[in-house]
Amino acid sequence: GIQVEQSPPDLILQEGANSTLRCNFSDSVNNLQWFHQNPWGQLINLFYIPSGTKQNGRLSATTVATERYSLLYISSSQTTDSGVYFCAVGFQKLVFGTGTRLLVSP
Amino acid sequence: GAGVSQTPSNKVTEKGKYVELRCDPISGHTALYWYRQSLGQGPEFLIYFQGTGAADDSGLPNDRFFAVRPEGSVSTLKIQRTERGDSAVYLCASSGGYEQFFGPGTRLTVL
Repeated sequence: GIQVEQSPPDLILQEGANSTLRCNFSDSVNNLQWFHQNPWGQLINLFYIPSGTKQNGRLSATTVATERYSLLYISSSQTTDSGVYFCAVGFQKLVFGTGTRLLVSP
Repeated sequence: GAGVSQTPSNKVTEKGKYVELRCDPISGHTALYWYRQSLGQGPEFLIYFQGTGAADDSGLPNDRFFAVRPEGSVSTLKIQRTERGDSAVYLCASSGGYEQFFGPGTRLTVL
């Protein structure tokens, strides 16, 4: 089956710093989503991005489907950005990576 | 409703008991998915419905797990003879295209 690897596994930032999260996947897919799981466990949709580049406020994402990777950029991080970021890929069912745990300190 | 809803939010049961978990998808979404998330891990796929039929149940761990979606809307995940290893958060998602939207989950604890 499809393998998904996320890096780094853990990230600690000072408020205001920028960061890049990476997702590598092993096969062609037609769905790639980035999620933020908040401390209450809710998965919040950040991007649906099987290819190309999108931006939403301080967040942006780029997927290079031919090279099977995606990047999530967080600029000017805030404490509310803390949580776990998941990349998930697939066709119908999604395969999730193990996540990047982000802690933003004041 | 505005989003995917799941009930109950928490369920505590004893080993060997039967439980039902309910998912109400976003109105009009034809695809519905169940995932399970253990502590410290990403969600893992269980089963996917397109309309009323189970299109892919390859993620169900064994025959104690079963899910239905009789009218193509609400779905129920049923677990028989629960075991302590079934303890996890059960997540439901729905989709009207490719992008999936998740509910808040049901935290199941088997004592």
